[in-house]
Amino acid sequence: QVQLVQSGAEVKKPGSSVKVSCKASGGTFSSYTISWVRQAPGQGLEWMGRIIPILGIANYAQKFQGRVTITADKSTSTAYMELSSLRSEDTAVYYCARSTEPGGWYWFDPWGQGTLVTVSS
Amino acid sequence: EIVLTQSPGTLSLSPGERATLSCRASQSVSSSYLAWYQQKPGQAPRLLIYGASSRATGIPDRFSGSGSGTDFTLTISRLEPEDFAVYYCQQYGSSPSMYTFGQGTKLEIK
Repeated sequence: QVQLVQSGAEVKKPGSSVKVSCKASGGTFSSYTISWVRQAPGQGLEWMGRIIPILGIANYAQKFQGRVTITADKSTSTAYMELSSLRSEDTAVYYCARSTEPGGWYWFDPWGQGTLVTVSS
Repeated sequence: EIVLTQSPGTLSLSPGERATLSCRASQSVSSSYLAWYQQKPGQAPRLLIYGASSRATGIPDRFSGSGSGTDFTLTISRLEPEDFAVYYCQQYGSSPSMYTFGQGTKLEIK
């Protein structure tokens, strides 16, 4: 049973960057995609992008193009999401989630526990 | 980009009642690419339904999904206390390649 464990909460200044990690254990990592989804306080879910670790190829939502970078380290079964030029509107819980099937565009199960990123001066 | 609109925004029902949640797409969506998630306060979302009507592993059979084209429905046949949560629909679209979520329906105890 694969589990995803994310790094801890972060507090960042406007204009800075944040890098959140997502470590997989108990299952296959490289051939499944890892997506990042964020949720602002009291708001809905927003997909940011995904990576296929075995290929190192990432796809990004247009809204975040140029500001988000998703990477993966196959040797440690860890995915990363880095968001730059932070602003207050980026305050949110950031989730990673693994696809239900290898490759392709599939559903998200399981999810990480979430990482709260607070952007404040 | 396909937009998913969920209704109602909030649904107030009692345990034992039947819940019907709607998800409408701005363009036709392949049934293969429509899913539903449940999210409880302080928790990550949980996959309930994929491919519009297939239950995920461990999901009780009181949850069912249906629909095609632009109209999809999540039905909970008899509400249990643990079912009160927020529900999101999700789809994959190819132009551009991306996932989108509906804004959510909050199912609350009446």
